[in-house]
Amino acid sequence: QVQLEQSGSELKKPGASVKVSCKASGFTFRNYVMNWVRQAPGQGLEWMGWINTNTGNPTYAQGFTGRFGFSLDTSVSTAYLQISSLKAEDTAVYYCARFHCSGGSCYLDYWGQGTRVTVSS
Amino acid sequence: SSELTQDPAVSVALGQTVIITCQGDSLRTYYASWYQQKPGQAPVLVLYGRNNRPSGIPDRFSGSSSGNTASLTITGAQAEDEGDYYCDSRDTSGNHGRVFGGGTKLTVL
Repeated sequence: QVQLEQSGSELKKPGASVKVSCKASGFTFRNYVMNWVRQAPGQGLEWMGWINTNTGNPTYAQGFTGRFGFSLDTSVSTAYLQISSLKAEDTAVYYCARFHCSGGSCYLDYWGQGTRVTVSS
Repeated sequence: SSELTQDPAVSVALGQTVIITCQGDSLRTYYASWYQQKPGQAPVLVLYGRNNRPSGIPDRFSGSSSGNTASLTITGAQAEDEGDYYCDSRDTSGNHGRVFGGGTKLTVL
Protein backbone atom coordinates (compact mmCIF):
# COMPACT_ATOMS: atom_id res chain seq x y z
CA GLN A 1 0.00 0.00 0.00
CA VAL A 2 1.06 3.58 -0.61
CA GLN A 3 2.88 5.11 2.34
CA LEU A 4 4.72 8.36 2.95
CA GLU A 5 6.76 8.15 6.13
CA GLN A 6 8.15 11.41 7.44
CA SER A 7 10.97 12.01 9.88
CA GLY A 8 10.32 12.89 13.50
CA SER A 9 9.73 16.16 15.30
CA GLU A 10 12.51 18.72 15.42
CA LEU A 11 13.32 21.43 17.95
CA LYS A 12 15.71 24.02 16.57
CA LYS A 13 17.13 27.36 17.61
CA PRO A 14 16.64 30.47 15.48
CA GLY A 15 19.25 30.66 12.74
CA ALA A 16 19.74 26.90 12.55
CA SER A 17 18.75 24.63 9.67
CA VAL A 18 16.49 21.62 9.50
CA LYS A 19 16.02 18.82 6.98
CA VAL A 20 12.76 16.88 6.90
CA SER A 21 12.54 13.59 5.03
CA CYS A 22 9.61 11.87 3.35
CA LYS A 23 10.20 8.23 2.41
CA ALA A 24 7.82 6.78 -0.15
CA SER A 25 6.82 3.17 -0.53
CA GLY A 26 4.18 1.16 -2.33
CA PHE A 27 4.43 3.00 -5.65
CA THR A 28 6.94 3.99 -8.31
CA PHE A 29 8.47 7.14 -6.83
CA ARG A 30 9.57 8.66 -10.13
CA ASN A 31 6.04 8.54 -11.55
CA TYR A 32 4.72 11.23 -9.19
CA VAL A 33 5.41 14.83 -8.26
CA MET A 34 5.94 15.32 -4.53
CA ASN A 35 4.45 18.32 -2.77
CA TRP A 36 5.20 20.07 0.50
CA VAL A 37 2.49 21.74 2.60
CA ARG A 38 2.89 23.85 5.74
CA GLN A 39 0.41 24.22 8.59
CA ALA A 40 1.29 26.79 11.23
CA PRO A 41 -0.24 26.33 14.69
CA GLY A 42 -4.00 26.87 14.55
CA GLN A 43 -3.83 27.84 10.88
CA GLY A 44 -4.85 26.36 7.55
CA LEU A 45 -2.93 24.46 4.92
CA GLU A 46 -0.43 26.36 2.81
CA TRP A 47 1.05 24.96 -0.39
CA MET A 48 4.83 25.39 -0.36
CA GLY A 49 5.68 23.89 -3.72
CA TRP A 50 6.62 20.64 -5.40
CA ILE A 51 9.48 18.73 -6.89
CA ASN A 52 9.49 16.72 -10.10
CA THR A 53 10.91 13.33 -9.11
CA ASN A 54 12.05 12.66 -12.67
CA THR A 55 14.03 15.82 -13.30
CA GLY A 56 14.65 16.97 -9.73
CA ASN A 57 13.28 20.37 -10.73
CA PRO A 58 11.63 22.16 -7.78
CA THR A 59 8.90 24.80 -7.95
CA TYR A 60 8.35 27.09 -4.97
CA ALA A 61 5.23 28.99 -4.04
CA GLN A 62 5.41 32.69 -3.26
CA GLY A 63 6.82 33.13 0.20
CA PHE A 64 8.86 29.95 0.06
CA THR A 65 11.85 31.05 -1.97
CA GLY A 66 15.33 31.62 -0.66
CA ARG A 67 15.48 29.73 2.65
CA PHE A 68 13.49 26.72 1.51
CA GLY A 69 14.86 23.86 -0.59
CA PHE A 70 13.40 20.66 -1.99
CA SER A 71 15.62 17.75 -2.92
CA LEU A 72 15.48 14.03 -3.67
CA ASP A 73 17.32 10.79 -3.22
CA THR A 74 15.59 8.61 -5.79
CA SER A 75 17.77 5.61 -4.84
CA VAL A 76 15.79 5.41 -1.59
CA SER A 77 12.53 6.98 -2.85
CA THR A 78 12.85 9.91 -0.49
CA ALA A 79 12.04 13.60 -0.80
CA TYR A 80 13.56 16.22 1.46
CA LEU A 81 12.60 19.67 2.66
CA GLN A 82 15.39 21.83 4.01
CA ILE A 83 14.82 25.14 5.74
CA SER A 84 17.79 27.35 6.56
CA SER A 85 18.14 30.39 8.82
CA LEU A 86 15.14 29.25 10.82
CA LYS A 87 12.82 31.84 12.32
CA ALA A 88 10.16 31.52 14.99
CA GLU A 89 7.49 31.88 12.30
CA ASP A 90 8.73 28.68 10.66
CA THR A 91 7.23 26.78 13.59
CA ALA A 92 4.68 24.52 11.94
CA VAL A 93 3.78 21.01 10.89
CA TYR A 94 5.19 20.19 7.47
CA TYR A 95 3.52 17.57 5.27
CA CYS A 96 4.66 15.84 2.13
CA ALA A 97 1.95 14.71 -0.24
CA ARG A 98 1.81 12.80 -3.50
CA PHE A 99 0.36 14.62 -6.50
CA HIS A 100 -1.83 12.61 -8.84
CA CYS A 101 -3.72 13.54 -12.00
CA SER A 102 -6.38 11.44 -13.65
CA GLY A 103 -9.47 12.04 -15.71
CA GLY A 104 -8.78 15.74 -16.05
CA SER A 105 -8.40 16.41 -12.34
CA CYS A 106 -5.37 16.67 -10.10
CA TYR A 107 -5.17 16.23 -6.35
CA LEU A 108 -3.00 15.25 -3.39
CA ASP A 109 -4.02 11.65 -2.87
CA TYR A 110 -1.61 10.47 -0.16
CA TRP A 111 -0.08 12.45 2.67
CA GLY A 112 2.71 11.86 5.12
CA GLN A 113 1.90 11.96 8.81
CA GLY A 114 3.52 15.37 9.19
CA THR A 115 6.70 16.59 10.85
CA ARG A 116 6.48 19.19 13.60
CA VAL A 117 9.26 21.74 13.49
CA THR A 118 9.54 24.04 16.50
CA VAL A 119 11.86 27.02 16.39
CA SER A 120 12.61 28.43 19.82
CA SER A 121 15.57 29.83 21.68
CA SER B 1 -1.42 33.69 -6.55
CA SER B 2 -5.10 32.95 -7.13
CA GLU B 3 -7.39 32.57 -4.12
CA LEU B 4 -9.99 30.12 -2.89
CA THR B 5 -12.53 31.34 -0.32
CA GLN B 6 -14.31 29.16 2.22
CA ASP B 7 -16.65 29.97 5.08
CA PRO B 8 -14.65 29.70 8.32
CA ALA B 9 -17.22 27.59 10.15
CA VAL B 10 -20.38 25.62 9.49
CA SER B 11 -22.53 23.51 11.79
CA VAL B 12 -25.03 20.74 11.09
CA ALA B 13 -27.37 18.67 13.20
CA LEU B 14 -26.60 14.99 13.39
CA GLY B 15 -28.13 13.18 10.43
CA GLN B 16 -28.86 16.33 8.48
CA THR B 17 -27.31 17.60 5.24
CA VAL B 18 -24.58 20.23 5.07
CA ILE B 19 -22.97 21.98 2.11
CA ILE B 20 -19.46 23.41 2.32
CA THR B 21 -18.50 25.78 -0.46
CA CYS B 22 -15.28 26.96 -2.06
CA GLN B 23 -15.17 30.00 -4.33
CA GLY B 24 -12.49 31.14 -6.74
CA ASP B 25 -11.96 32.15 -10.31
CA SER B 26 -9.77 29.11 -11.01
CA LEU B 27 -12.79 26.88 -10.34
CA ARG B 28 -14.37 28.09 -13.57
CA THR B 29 -11.68 26.05 -15.35
CA TYR B 30 -10.27 23.52 -12.92
CA TYR B 31 -11.82 21.05 -10.53
CA ALA B 32 -11.50 21.44 -6.79
CA SER B 33 -10.43 18.60 -4.56
CA TRP B 34 -11.48 18.31 -0.92
CA TYR B 35 -9.61 17.21 2.19
CA GLN B 36 -10.81 16.38 5.67
CA GLN B 37 -8.53 17.02 8.61
CA LYS B 38 -9.20 15.95 12.17
CA PRO B 39 -7.28 17.39 15.13
CA GLY B 40 -3.71 16.15 15.27
CA GLN B 41 -4.01 14.20 12.04
CA ALA B 42 -2.85 14.63 8.46
CA PRO B 43 -5.39 15.72 5.84
CA VAL B 44 -7.25 12.99 3.98
CA LEU B 45 -8.54 13.31 0.43
CA VAL B 46 -12.34 12.89 0.41
CA LEU B 47 -13.38 14.15 -3.05
CA TYR B 48 -11.74 14.95 -6.35
CA GLY B 49 -12.70 15.73 -9.92
CA ARG B 50 -16.31 16.10 -10.96
CA ASN B 51 -17.58 13.95 -8.08
CA ASN B 52 -15.17 11.15 -7.23
CA ARG B 53 -14.51 9.56 -3.87
CA PRO B 54 -11.32 7.68 -3.03
CA SER B 55 -11.71 4.14 -1.82
CA GLY B 56 -12.99 4.05 1.76
CA ILE B 57 -14.75 7.41 1.71
CA PRO B 58 -18.47 7.01 2.51
CA ASP B 59 -20.98 7.79 -0.21
CA ARG B 60 -22.61 10.43 1.98
CA PHE B 61 -19.82 12.69 0.66
CA SER B 62 -20.55 14.18 -2.76
CA GLY B 63 -19.38 17.08 -4.83
CA SER B 64 -20.61 19.52 -7.42
CA SER B 65 -19.50 22.66 -9.17
CA SER B 66 -21.14 25.66 -10.80
CA GLY B 67 -19.40 28.72 -12.15
CA ASN B 68 -16.73 29.80 -9.70
CA THR B 69 -18.07 27.68 -6.81
CA ALA B 70 -17.32 24.11 -5.84
CA SER B 71 -19.41 22.41 -3.19
CA LEU B 72 -18.91 19.48 -0.86
CA THR B 73 -22.16 17.97 0.39
CA ILE B 74 -22.45 15.61 3.33
CA THR B 75 -25.85 13.92 3.30
CA GLY B 76 -26.72 12.55 6.71
CA ALA B 77 -23.77 13.99 8.64
CA GLN B 78 -22.26 11.74 11.30
CA ALA B 79 -20.35 12.68 14.43
CA GLU B 80 -17.14 11.40 12.86
CA ASP B 81 -17.48 13.93 10.04
CA GLU B 82 -16.59 16.74 12.41
CA GLY B 83 -13.32 18.40 11.48
CA ASP B 84 -11.74 20.91 9.14
CA TYR B 85 -12.38 20.76 5.43
CA TYR B 86 -10.08 22.30 2.83
CA CYS B 87 -10.52 22.72 -0.89
CA ASP B 88 -7.62 23.04 -3.28
CA SER B 89 -7.22 23.61 -6.98
CA ARG B 90 -4.74 24.78 -9.53
CA ASP B 91 -3.21 28.19 -8.99
CA THR B 92 -3.89 30.00 -12.27
CA SER B 93 -1.30 32.68 -11.65
CA GLY B 94 2.45 32.52 -11.29
CA ASN B 95 3.86 29.01 -11.17
CA HIS B 96 0.54 27.22 -11.82
CA GLY B 97 0.99 25.12 -8.73
CA ARG B 98 -1.68 24.52 -6.11
CA VAL B 99 -3.65 26.77 -3.81
CA PHE B 100 -5.72 25.89 -0.75
CA GLY B 101 -8.84 27.51 0.58
CA GLY B 102 -8.72 28.84 4.10
CA GLY B 103 -10.63 25.86 5.47
CA THR B 104 -14.08 25.33 7.00
CA LYS B 105 -14.51 24.00 10.50
CA LEU B 106 -17.49 21.64 10.53
CA THR B 107 -19.28 21.05 13.82
CA VAL B 108 -21.83 18.23 14.07
CA LEU B 109 -24.40 19.08 16.74
